[in-house]
Amino acid sequence: QVQLQESGPGLVKPSETLSLTCTVSGGSISSYYWSWIRQSPGKGLEWIGSIFYSGSTDYSPSLKSRVTISVDTSKNQFSLRLTSVTAADTAMYYCARGKWRPYYLDYWGQGTLVTVSS
Amino acid sequence: DIQMTQSPSSLSASVGDRVTIICQASQDISSFLNWYQQKPGKAPKLLIYDASNLETGVPSRFSGSGSGTDFTFTITSLQPEDIGTYYCQQFDNLPPSTFGQGTRLEIK
Repeated sequence: QVQLQESGPGLVKPSETLSLTCTVSGGSISSYYWSWIRQSPGKGLEWIGSIFYSGSTDYSPSLKSRVTISVDTSKNQFSLRLTSVTAADTAMYYCARGKWRPYYLDYWGQGTLVTVSS
Repeated sequence: DIQMTQSPSSLSASVGDRVTIICQASQDISSFLNWYQQKPGKAPKLLIYDASNLETGVPSRFSGSGSGTDFTFTITSLQPEDIGTYYCQQFDNLPPSTFGQGTRLEIK
């Protein structure tokens, strides 16, 4: 059974960098399109971006200038970096496995809450 | 970006009822649409992919249809465990992939 687990700081100061890692177990990170999605408190889902196991990336245009997603196949992990955070980046952050193509998110992590506050 | 509009934003129905949720895209997305269920405090769960394909292990009372700009998600006989928020997601013309604003489903 594939499982995903997010890890990283739960509190980040404004203007600093948010860094999260998703560890994949029960399956290989190869051959899929790994994604990050976030959900602000009480709000809907926002797609942040995705990375193929090969390293090719796609980012949401609204976040592209601040986002980097990377993959480490040797550790079966992929990561999210979001720079210059503000309170608007406070959200539950989910990592998910994406099938391609058609694209759909079939396995999700439990999510990790990141609060941006001084 | 392609905008996804769901209706209604919330609904209340009785056990056994047929429930329908609509998702409308701001432009033609062919069949490139998925449906997810999210229960409080949990991650979303995939129910339907590519407009009408039932994910493995998902009960057959869930179904999806549509193409182009108009899509429908149906629960044929509502069960108590179906409460939650339902989201559509388009993946045409990615990036970005975009979600609808969600439909909160309650039991009467």
